[in-house]
Amino acid sequence: GESVGLHLPTLSVQEGDNSIINCAYSNSASDYFIWYKQESGKGPQFIIDIRSNMDKRQGQRVTVLLNKTVKHLSLQIAATQPGDSAVYFCAEVPGKLIFGQGTELSVKP
Amino acid sequence: EAQVTQNPRYLITVTGKKLTVTCSQNMNHEYMSWYRQDPGLGLRQIYYSMNVEVTDKGDVPEGYKVSRKEKRNFPLILESPSPNQTSLYFCASSPEVAGRETQYFGPGTRLLVL
Repeated sequence: GESVGLHLPTLSVQEGDNSIINCAYSNSASDYFIWYKQESGKGPQFIIDIRSNMDKRQGQRVTVLLNKTVKHLSLQIAATQPGDSAVYFCAEVPGKLIFGQGTELSVKP
Repeated sequence: EAQVTQNPRYLITVTGKKLTVTCSQNMNHEYMSWYRQDPGLGLRQIYYSMNVEVTDKGDVPEGYKVSRKEKRNFPLILESPSPNQTSLYFCASSPEVAGRETQYFGPGTRLLVL
């Protein structure tokens, strides 16, 4: 059933490991996707985006993968650092911006 | 420095006492928006504005008002706040509507309505 809990999914990784954060989107008409990072006490910050005519896009230490068949988006962070600890959420744009609820990434030193 | 500013950052008020949260951006963006963020519900859009004197309802507009008299400012007004408006509020701006360009978010305003 639908979760109404107050706690976000959490991913805990060791410093230096790679992180993979997943997101399922809902609207087949979405043609643009964005990953945001939100650190404690701050507003969301743009990380990387991808358009639906692509299945992979790379940035600095981050890669976004898009699988339109199963409506799935992932964010890969290479060599995760303590400064990467934050909540990460995806957003889809089927005409307007719709945000997912997010995943909390915790990096252990 | 390009930024979105919000004031106040923290506010405690009582039911029914009108309040305004200000938002200002220095990037000459046409599009501005207000969101609220609640545990388990994520970011939900309250109101948005595509340009001066052009505003429209988002997904959760009840109990809120906005105005856009100048391009840089987009205040959020709660005429009669209620406890269910206790939340974390973010203002955002972008140079193009619907998030086609990067949305720049403010630092947030944490509101508690008693």
